[in-house]
Amino acid sequence: NAGVMQNPRHLVRRRGQEARLRCSPMKGHSHVYWYRQLPEEGLKFMVYLQKENIIDESGMPKERFSAEFPKEGPSILRIQQVVRGDSAAYFCASSSGVAGNDYGYTFGSGTRLTVV
Amino acid sequence: AQSVSQHNHHVILSEAASLELGCNYSYGGTVNLFWYVQYPGQHLQLLLKYFSGDPLVKGIKGFEAEFIKSKFSFNLRKPSVQWSDTAEYFCAVNAQGNNRLAFGKGNQVVVIP
Repeated sequence: NAGVMQNPRHLVRRRGQEARLRCSPMKGHSHVYWYRQLPEEGLKFMVYLQKENIIDESGMPKERFSAEFPKEGPSILRIQQVVRGDSAAYFCASSSGVAGNDYGYTFGSGTRLTVV
Repeated sequence: AQSVSQHNHHVILSEAASLELGCNYSYGGTVNLFWYVQYPGQHLQLLLKYFSGDPLVKGIKGFEAEFIKSKFSFNLRKPSVQWSDTAEYFCAVNAQGNNRLAFGKGNQVVVIP
């Protein structure tokens, strides 16, 4: 079992470009969560998705950020027109059910986005 | 909403010393509690979790944590650390039935050989 796979590990973008971050959940997991870690901060919840559905996006910035989890393929976190403040580590986690129950999360290694 | 406080962001100690990391949360309802560890360059790994039952939880690698409901605390301990315990440690909380975890800011622990 390969675990939660995120790519790329490191991503450099110029201001105004688009960033696409990918997350393949663990085999058998249909719930995906995205978190952002800013320097010297803990992880902040962004969005929770199940296949083809956004369940909770209350942690997503209102503009420029979007997420999807299509029926086939990985979950994508998309950031349009990146700014320097978007520089952070973005972590994906997956679970087999609602994480508040006894399923827990498995985290990926993260994508470190640097905006120059 | 839940919030989590971790103090002493940077901790430096020698091998064989004892480690205790504090975690306090604010939420009035029933919670699940977690400690995660992130070794340099790696992903977050679950050290231990508390859902119910015995408030003293044993985790991997000799770590344990104690849930004290009256103090809203879930402190992590290890009696004797090793150099390989150098890592960042995160406390996390979620309300039972809730999908999101609230994380503390983390403790950067450096163990000197």
